[in-house]
Amino acid sequence: NAGVTQTPKFQVLKTGQSMTLQCAQDMNHEYMSWYRQDPGMGLRLIHYSVGAGITDQGEVPNGYNVSRSTTEDFPLRLLSAAPSQTSVYFCATLESFSGNTIYFGEGSWLTVV
Amino acid sequence: AQSVTQLDSQVPVFEEAPVELRCNYSSSVSVYLFWYVQYPNQGLQLLLKYLSGSTLVKGINGFEAEFNKSQTSFHLRKPSVHISDTAEYFCAVSEFEAQKLVFGQGTRLTINP
Repeated sequence: NAGVTQTPKFQVLKTGQSMTLQCAQDMNHEYMSWYRQDPGMGLRLIHYSVGAGITDQGEVPNGYNVSRSTTEDFPLRLLSAAPSQTSVYFCATLESFSGNTIYFGEGSWLTVV
Repeated sequence: AQSVTQLDSQVPVFEEAPVELRCNYSSSVSVYLFWYVQYPNQGLQLLLKYLSGSTLVKGINGFEAEFNKSQTSFHLRKPSVHISDTAEYFCAVSEFEAQKLVFGQGTRLTINP
């Protein structure tokens, strides 16, 4: 089982560019989410989805867009990259029947210059 | 609203010494509790979780945690650490009815030879 797969693992963007971080899961979990991790800030929820066609904002949604057309995929779009979006991004799924256990992807390291 | 406080941002210990990483949470309802570990340049993996039942929970790599409802704590312990335990550790809480985890800021555990 691949679990949660994120691409790309590393990316450098110029300010103002747009890009999409891809996330795919093969665990058939309804709930998917995107977090960003910054030093001293822990993990902060950007957007989440409780199923195909349903998305909602987390703590830090500004500058990001998501869509959920299938159960498997949950891409995160940076609309116009800013240096403040330099971070490590994690996609995750949640398994509700085992007490809301979260499974993370390997992470995407993004630098905006 | 639920919240998590990890009381130490960094914990240095000598190899083979015991360690305790402290975690307190705040919630008005029943919760699930988790510890995740992040090794350098990797994603987060589940170390252990408390769902119900025995308040002492054993996880991978010799770690254990104790749920204390009266003190709203979920401290992580290991009786003898190894160099390979060097990592960042995150405590997380999820309310029963909420499909969401809230993470603490993380504790960086450094093992010195």
